[in-house]
Amino acid sequence: QVQLQESGPGLVKPSQTLSLTCTVSGGSISSGGYYWSWIRQHPGKGLEWIGYIYYSGSTYYNPSLKSRITISVDTSKNQFSLKLSSLTAADTAVYYCARATPPSSSSAFGYWGQGTLVTVSS
Amino acid sequence: DIQMTQSPSSLSASVGDRVTITCRASQSIDIYLNWYQQKPGKAPKLLIYAASSLQSGVPSRFSGSGSGTDFTLTITSLQPEDFATYYCQQGYSTPSTFGQGTRLEVK
Repeated sequence: QVQLQESGPGLVKPSQTLSLTCTVSGGSISSGGYYWSWIRQHPGKGLEWIGYIYYSGSTYYNPSLKSRITISVDTSKNQFSLKLSSLTAADTAVYYCARATPPSSSSAFGYWGQGTLVTVSS
Repeated sequence: DIQMTQSPSSLSASVGDRVTITCRASQSIDIYLNWYQQKPGKAPKLLIYAASSLQSGVPSRFSGSGSGTDFTLTITSLQPEDFATYYCQQGYSTPSTFGQGTRLEVK
């Protein structure tokens, strides 16, 4: 059973950079076949896809956030990470990591982490 | 970006009812449409992928249909654990986008 777990700070100051890591267990990122994703949910709101990375390092970012995002992968640790820069209060959200099937299989997010609440505040 | 619009935004129903939620895409997405259930404080759970394929472990009272721009999620014989918020998501192109959600409440 694949499991994902987010880790990172719960409180970040405006203008700083958020760094989150997702640790994957029960499956290897380097096996390929899946896209390792970040999704966020503003309090009481819907879901926003941030981007994803393939084990090879290929990335796909949401254009609305592209200038501020970096997603990277460390296959040796079976982890992938999100960096989001120039934070504002509008970035306050629950951040989820998730595993997506390939686009040919509808890019469905079948496995999710529990989510981590990130608050941007001074 | 492809816009996903769900209707209704909220729905009241009773245990045993049959309910249908609709999702419309702003352009054709073939069958690349997925449905999720989310309960408060929890991550979304995949129910249906590729419009009509039931995710492993999901009860058969959940079903999906549609193609192109119009899709439906149907829950037959609502159970107490089904009261939650439901989201559709298009996997046709990046950026992947979600509907705004449909909150299913107890009548």
